[in-house]
Amino acid sequence: NAGVMQNPRHLVRRRGQEARLRCSPMKGHSHVYWYRQLPEEGLKFMVYLQKENIIDESGMPKERFSAEFPKEGPSILRIQQVVRGDSAAYFCASSPLANTGELFFGEGSRLTVL
Amino acid sequence: GDSVTQMEGPVTLSEEAFLTINCTYTATGYPSLFWYVQYPGEGLQLLLKATKADDKGSNKGFEATYRKETTSFHLEKGSVQVSDSAVYFCALSDNNAGKSTFGDGTTLTVKP
Repeated sequence: NAGVMQNPRHLVRRRGQEARLRCSPMKGHSHVYWYRQLPEEGLKFMVYLQKENIIDESGMPKERFSAEFPKEGPSILRIQQVVRGDSAAYFCASSPLANTGELFFGEGSRLTVL
Repeated sequence: GDSVTQMEGPVTLSEEAFLTINCTYTATGYPSLFWYVQYPGEGLQLLLKATKADDKGSNKGFEATYRKETTSFHLEKGSVQVSDSAVYFCALSDNNAGKSTFGDGTTLTVKP
C-alpha cells in the first residue's frame, strides 16, 4: 500500500534552470497539497489541487511557479528560472476527502539551486 | 487569516522527562487541530488530532486537548524516549478552506 510518492528526492539546479517536482497521491486520494519548507522554517502552504482543477493557489508566488494535477498521472510543481531563494524542501500531501485537515505527506523533494 | 504559534525550540530533555510543547491558534471558524511529527529526512506524519472543543487526541503516549477558551492545543507526554527526538508541528484546518496552516515546528532532542 504505497504512500504518497514524490520524486526526485533530491534535485540540483543552476540559477535560471527549470525544476519539476512530481507527486503521486495515495491510492484513492483525489486532493493534493503542496507545501514549501525553507531551511529552519515551518511549512508554508503553496497550492491545493483536485484532479484537473486548482482549488486554492493563494500561497504560490505570482511568477515562475505553477502546479497541475492532470486527469492521468502525477501532480507536477514547476519552478521556472530558479533562483537561490527557491532552495527548500517541497512536500506534497494528499487526502481522500476535502476539508478534513488530515494530510498524508510524501518524503519531500529537496531542491538545491547553485 | 488563520495562524498557529508554537513554543520555540529547540527543546532538549533527558529520557523519561515530562514533555510539553505549547501551541496556540487564531482562526475565524471552528477548526480541527492536529499535531504532526517529522523524523530526520522524512515527511510529516499525523500524530494526533481533535475536531471539536474539549476533545482529547492521543497516540503513542502523546496527548493534546482542544481548549477553545484559551485557543490552545498543547502537546504533552509523560515520559519521553530517545526515539521521540523529532520536529513537532501543530496545525489547524479550517474546515471550509481545505488547506491546513502549520506552526513553525519545535525540535525535540531526547538524550539518554
